Amino acid sequence: GQNIDQPTEMTATEGAIVQINCTYQTSGFNGLFWYQQHAGEAPTFLSYNVLDGLEEKGRFSSFLSRSKGYSYLLLKELQMKDSASYLCAVRGVYGQNFVFGPGTRLSVLP
Amino acid sequence: GAVVSQHPSRVICKSGTSVKIECRSLDFQATTMFWYRQFPKQSLMLMATSNEGSKATYEQGVEKDKFLINHASLTLSTLTVTSAHPEDSSFYICSARDSSGRVQYEQYFGPGTRLTVT
Repeated sequence: GQNIDQPTEMTATEGAIVQINCTYQTSGFNGLFWYQQHAGEAPTFLSYNVLDGLEEKGRFSSFLSRSKGYSYLLLKELQMKDSASYLCAVRGVYGQNFVFGPGTRLSVLP
Repeated sequence: GAVVSQHPSRVICKSGTSVKIECRSLDFQATTMFWYRQFPKQSLMLMATSNEGSKATYEQGVEKDKFLINHASLTLSTLTVTSAHPEDSSFYICSARDSSGRVQYEQYFGPGTRLTVT
């Protein structure tokens, strides 16, 4: 079976740093993706990890530990526009199945 | 970057009618496209995988006779919701897989279609 877990909601202050965790148990693994989704819009790609370690891209970083089935997305210097849902998705071995986690709704407060 | 379009962006239909949603990859070829459904405050749920020139693969619990998928070309997949009912009201999102095999950006999402069945 496949199971992906994320916190449902998080709140942080403008300018701060927030870490959104994702744990997964899947029958196969071929990469983990993070997407940002604003209400009523399609998801937009943020990051991709297939090997253990940290991938940094501007204000966003993503970390992966395959042995622990764990990833996190780190957002620095939070801005109001970062208020959105953040989706963790795991791709299966054959690349066809792409399972999304429940998403974390982040609210950035002034 | 790769662009995927969906049409229409919003549609309201009466119960019992059928609705067709188009998904197009505008600047790349996509042998595989995916259809997702998303209910309010929930995550994306994969409905089916659409393969060019062959039958779609449906996820467990998704009725293939109700959600008809056609992938007639490398740039177009359509989802037809037949005999729609109010419970089919949802946000339908497609994504396209770039056939060139660039791993990191394998799925590009369309802007979504908001379906409301009255």
